[in-house]
Amino acid sequence: AQRVTQPEKLLSVFKGAPVELKCNYSYSGSPELFWYVQYSRQRLQLLLRHISRESIKGFTADLNKGETSFHLKKPFAQEEDSAMYYCALSGGSNYKLTFGKGTLLTVNP
Amino acid sequence: GAGVSQSPSNKVTEKGKDVELRCDPISGHTALYWYRQSLGQGLEFLIYFQGNSAPDKSGLPSDRFSAERTGGSVSTLTIQRTQQEDSAVYLCASSFGGGVGYTFGSGTRLTVV
Repeated sequence: AQRVTQPEKLLSVFKGAPVELKCNYSYSGSPELFWYVQYSRQRLQLLLRHISRESIKGFTADLNKGETSFHLKKPFAQEEDSAMYYCALSGGSNYKLTFGKGTLLTVNP
Repeated sequence: GAGVSQSPSNKVTEKGKDVELRCDPISGHTALYWYRQSLGQGLEFLIYFQGNSAPDKSGLPSDRFSAERTGGSVSTLTIQRTQQEDSAVYLCASSFGGGVGYTFGSGTRLTVV
């Protein structure tokens, strides 16, 4: 069975502060991990995936297989980063995503 | 089309009635997915189509739920005899091939009263 845990339902930081959204997963094989973001009144969209090792909007995430984590980080949060963030895992199948329950990030001015 | 289109965007129905939710994927995307987003539950996988066939319908919560896809394009999710616990946002996504680089629609918010 595969599972994704996002321990924080809510996270609030001030503009310019570092932010880390936690994601832990459970999967026995080699997973593919993703972060999706949903801004207010917009559709869910892919933020980044671990295999591309890219930085999008200043966010990065590193897959730590030892700790089974895929935390999302940004050194200096911006107000426009306020959104719901979902961590997701694809394991085994190459089509089904298992999502965490999401973390609502609020960046205060 | 330019994106994944879902209709209606909002649907309020009475308990016990049937509803149909429609998804129009990106042109050329062979894979189509339905997910459900409930308050506090995150996103739950419902069903996956490759072309017109559904190799994985394991996420459908009960036999009141069914889905079909015709012409390798539009899909309809049908919920029969709706219950209050069916209230959720139903999301459709599509991708080229079976990969997980999805494009999501904006969803249908279903409220059963």
